[in-house]
Amino acid sequence: NAGVTQTPKFQVLKTGQSMTLQCAQDMNHNSMYWYRQDPGMGLRLIYYSASEGTTDKGEVPNGYNVSRLNKREFSLRLESAAPSQTSVYFCASNRKDRDSPLHFGNGTRLTVT
Amino acid sequence: DQQVKQNSPSLSVQEGRISILNCDYTNSMFDYFLWYKKYPAEGPTFLISISSIKDKNEDGRFTVFLNKSAKHLSLHIVPSQPGDSAVYFCAAYFSGTYKYIFGTGTRLKVLA
Repeated sequence: NAGVTQTPKFQVLKTGQSMTLQCAQDMNHNSMYWYRQDPGMGLRLIYYSASEGTTDKGEVPNGYNVSRLNKREFSLRLESAAPSQTSVYFCASNRKDRDSPLHFGNGTRLTVT
Repeated sequence: DQQVKQNSPSLSVQEGRISILNCDYTNSMFDYFLWYKKYPAEGPTFLISISSIKDKNEDGRFTVFLNKSAKHLSLHIVPSQPGDSAVYFCAAYFSGTYKYIFGTGTRLKVLA
């Protein structure tokens, strides 16, 4: 019963490098989300996918791209990492209705030097 | 512009006493509110929710109160236990957007 699985757990990048954060859920959820958590800023929505085949920008989309590969998987790509993208990234999913709370993965801690 | 605000970054409470965590919001279109708890090195987990048509929802030791006129909600934990020590986030949602907006979090420490 894995729920939401994120890989990798930790990553260190140099400025300008690229990487993709992976997320998969096994709960047959329609909607998936990427958040970042920074001290004093709470959880901020980067991108979300209300259903397979659709993606939309959240509060802080600049510098990121996403791909909803299929119903299970939603990836987040940093094309050219910047120190301001040092953060903890969380993927979440739910059934696409307000009464279905978000289920979160355990996060990816990313450091950009 | 922060639409969901948690003005107390931290709170300490003695074991057995009541913990009250507060949250304010600015957008009157929000129609559903949730509280999440987060332990270190883990993702947030859902705690309790409330619809905007209600003013109270209770689940065991946890009660959420909603005051729509004040655009304010609070989470009461009674009695508080050391295992409740965590960061608590409130979140707001309005139907049709599929977006959950989170507050900045309050770190609760329950002292044994």
